[in-house]
Amino acid sequence: QKEVEQNSGPLSVPEGAIASLNCTYSDRGSQSFFWYRQYSGKSPELIMSIYSNGDKEDGRFTAQLNKASQYVSLLIRDSQPSDSATYLCAVNPGNKLTFGGGTRVLVKP
Amino acid sequence: NAGVTQTPKFRILKIGQSMTLQCAQDMNHNYMYWYRQDPGMGLKLIYYSVGAGITDKGEVPNGYNVSRSTTEDFPLRLELAAPSQTSVYFCASSYTDRDYGYTFGSGTRLTVV
Repeated sequence: QKEVEQNSGPLSVPEGAIASLNCTYSDRGSQSFFWYRQYSGKSPELIMSIYSNGDKEDGRFTAQLNKASQYVSLLIRDSQPSDSATYLCAVNPGNKLTFGGGTRVLVKP
Repeated sequence: NAGVTQTPKFRILKIGQSMTLQCAQDMNHNYMYWYRQDPGMGLKLIYYSVGAGITDKGEVPNGYNVSRSTTEDFPLRLELAAPSQTSVYFCASSYTDRDYGYTFGSGTRLTVV
């Protein structure tokens, strides 16, 4: 079992719709969780962090964490073509991040 | 601030050659990391450092070496390059080991032929 799992996609959403991305992790001791966005040929950039159960909103992004079920999700509201990228879920079970394989999102005008 | 600077951006190596990928950060971060990313895949940790003089292996350390003589620099050494080391290499740094995300460099695209 992979430590951090994501559906590789592509997740195709129409412009203006909500994109929903999911991530599950195996280490119950994990305390911090992150979502990174990576455009093709570029380095990952941090878009959200979440540490407590529940929802955390930042602009059009909402991260959701459920430690009991060991999943993290990311919602992108009012999706724009510029949101087309690969989204990486990262989990910190100790002193280093473990990344999922990423979900590719395509937003169609 | 420059953030995390990686050099070179691109490199082609022949099998058996060696090289050093440079990484420097100017944010006074104690924690530094080297990841590799194969096409269409996530990032895999090669080595990491929690401070000057302290390094440890990650998930895929074979074929690589690191050193951390200063807080700012964390070079990655490839000895006897193999085609399996063809990848994009990212250096990252963070303020703490847990509660902050990482700042990534722009990456080094390495091809071994």
